[in-house]
Amino acid sequence: GENVEQHPSTLSVQEGDSAVIKCTYSDSASNYFPWYKQELGKRPQLIIDIRSNVGEKKDQRIAVTLNKTAKHFSLHITETQPEDSAVYFCAASSTSGTYKYIFGTGTRLKVLA
Amino acid sequence: DTAVSQTPKYLVTQMGNDKSIKCEQNLGHDTMYWYKQDSKKFLKIMFSYNNKELIINETVPNRFSPKSPDKAHLNLHINSLELGDSAVYFCASSQGGGTNSPLHFGNGTRLTVT
Repeated sequence: GENVEQHPSTLSVQEGDSAVIKCTYSDSASNYFPWYKQELGKRPQLIIDIRSNVGEKKDQRIAVTLNKTAKHFSLHITETQPEDSAVYFCAASSTSGTYKYIFGTGTRLKVLA
Repeated sequence: DTAVSQTPKYLVTQMGNDKSIKCEQNLGHDTMYWYKQDSKKFLKIMFSYNNKELIINETVPNRFSPKSPDKAHLNLHINSLELGDSAVYFCASSQGGGTNSPLHFGNGTRLTVT
């Protein structure tokens, strides 16, 4: 069945350093890849997304890259700040069929001041 | 003016009881979902409705019964609650209909079964 693997499960970086989270999906029909940030006790919130016709997208300190051939996509956060500390989830979905969003297992990011 | 609202926020109950969680979205979306987030933070889809029609049912026990009276509402009823049902349940909605659009989550309902 559909699956999204996410690595690492935990990531600690010094403030100002970069953080990279990687995901791999199994369903070749997947064509939409959102990333969510979940702070403690709160709901997941969309931070950036990418569609399969684009290889890279950037929004200020956050960027996402997509390699359709390898079925990989990654989140890059530059100049990390303590408020970036949260759990990050990647997801994959397809516009065909049931519009199911499959989530990765999450990465707990800690930015050390 | 919360886009996806679910109630209650907290639910503490005993094993064997029946409880319901309500969800409403005012985004005009066609598709609504229930996700379960366990203690390890995994987000697993349970159900999805598109325009009141069930389109996803992910091997969830029959004790869980979703109901969608209209496309803006998706409620979840749980019978004979078990300890393993303790989790945070998130309602979500998306535009659906073949569009690449993000999920919008509600604030979650933390269910604790004792």
